[in-house]
Amino acid sequence: QQQVKQSPQSLIVQKGGISIINCAYENTAFDYFPWYQQFPGKGPALLIAIRPDVSEKKEGRFTISFNKSAKQFSLHIMDSQPGDSATYFCAASIHGSGNTGKLIFGQGTTLQVKP
Amino acid sequence: SQTIHQWPATLVQPVGSPLSLECTVEGTSNPNLYWYRQAAGRGLQLLFYSVGIGQISSEVPQNLSASRPQDRQFILSSKKLLLSDSGFYLCAWTSGQYNQPQHFGDGTRLSIL
Repeated sequence: QQQVKQSPQSLIVQKGGISIINCAYENTAFDYFPWYQQFPGKGPALLIAIRPDVSEKKEGRFTISFNKSAKQFSLHIMDSQPGDSATYFCAASIHGSGNTGKLIFGQGTTLQVKP
Repeated sequence: SQTIHQWPATLVQPVGSPLSLECTVEGTSNPNLYWYRQAAGRGLQLLFYSVGIGQISSEVPQNLSASRPQDRQFILSSKKLLLSDSGFYLCAWTSGQYNQPQHFGDGTRLSIL
């Protein structure tokens, strides 16, 4: 299965709260899991990425948690700020099949952080 | 550093007219290049990708075509636009090396009237 299922579709969080976005996949050959942040009218920008040999990766207020056995990974945004309001995409890829670098994207989560 | 440029930023075209969107990458060589379409409030649909000059792979059958005439240039075209071609078109590149992210341009907003 070449799908990545992302939830929730939309999320409203109060300033200072924790935002959590979840993704699940079926293909155990996926070996690279990036998260992208997209503001309206702009292209997605890489936020943070993880490989399956690591269970957690943290960069500032952003943390990816990875559960290989459950085939799930999630993005946690600590101390959420209004400036974090954007659409977030998880993605997955398989390297080795001709190095195409193709990404399979989740459907996106629109995050609104209320002041 | 590497940069990616897309133009135009916005485009309004009548149904049946031709299309040419251009994407160029600077600061790298032999990148993998990608064209995506994003419908309003929706996810990213991969349209085409290219791993080298003249090498184009199509992901979905459609009214569009892509070409890569130079190493760092990727063009999205159509001979006759349909209403359903409206959307936000994004170009992206990656080095093609193991576990490297894709980097996106700022897109072209295409409206078909």
